[in-house]
Amino acid sequence: SYVLTQPPSVSVAPGQTARITCGGNNIGSENVHWYQQKPGQAPVLVVYDDSDRPSGIPERFSGSKSGNTATLTISRVEAGDEADYYCQVWETNSDQPYVMFGVGTKLTVL
Amino acid sequence: QITLKESGPTVVKPTQTLTLTCTLSGFSLSTSGVGVGWIRQPPGKALEWLALIYWDDDKRNSPSLKTRLTITRDTSKNQVVLRMTNMDPVDTATYYCVRLIPYGSGSYFDYWGQGTLVTVSS
Repeated sequence: SYVLTQPPSVSVAPGQTARITCGGNNIGSENVHWYQQKPGQAPVLVVYDDSDRPSGIPERFSGSKSGNTATLTISRVEAGDEADYYCQVWETNSDQPYVMFGVGTKLTVL
Repeated sequence: QITLKESGPTVVKPTQTLTLTCTLSGFSLSTSGVGVGWIRQPPGKALEWLALIYWDDDKRNSPSLKTRLTITRDTSKNQVVLRMTNMDPVDTATYYCVRLIPYGSGSYFDYWGQGTLVTVSS
């Protein structure tokens, strides 16, 4: 079955840049979306369609894609960015398309 | 203001059927291009998509759970209902109701409910 691969954890010091990757066979041909989930809260969309930001999301959050790997980049990391981050795509190479989430990456701000 | 609110039992027994209701506010499921779905998250684990229903009553289910899931809508009440049969302790999770846009593959979840924790225990 289709799997989206994310590193379990990423650690970065405040003010530095964090990069969280999401790998999968179909990523190159699908839109990738990213969600931030802080402890005890519902996820929040931070990037959609590979690199677009919803209203209200800081410019520090950006997305990119190369080949079958998508990357969420958080610049000038702040303590408040500490959270779990999930990528999401649609798996369309099946009888009926369905939604896939990555396994999640825990961002720790040192 | 767009909100989604989940309601339903907090505890169900093994083998029982779980019924969850999502009440929508600030938008209508009758609006072209809109979808509403369910996502769950076991404690300490990743997100798992379950099902969704579109404004035109088109539906999608998770391939791994589709025999257990039924999603329906009541446009007069602006509600979406999820039923999951044969509940098991591994189904213990927080269940989120979500809005999905735009229509079709490539869509994403722009609004989330607060989630409701469902525990499966005898």
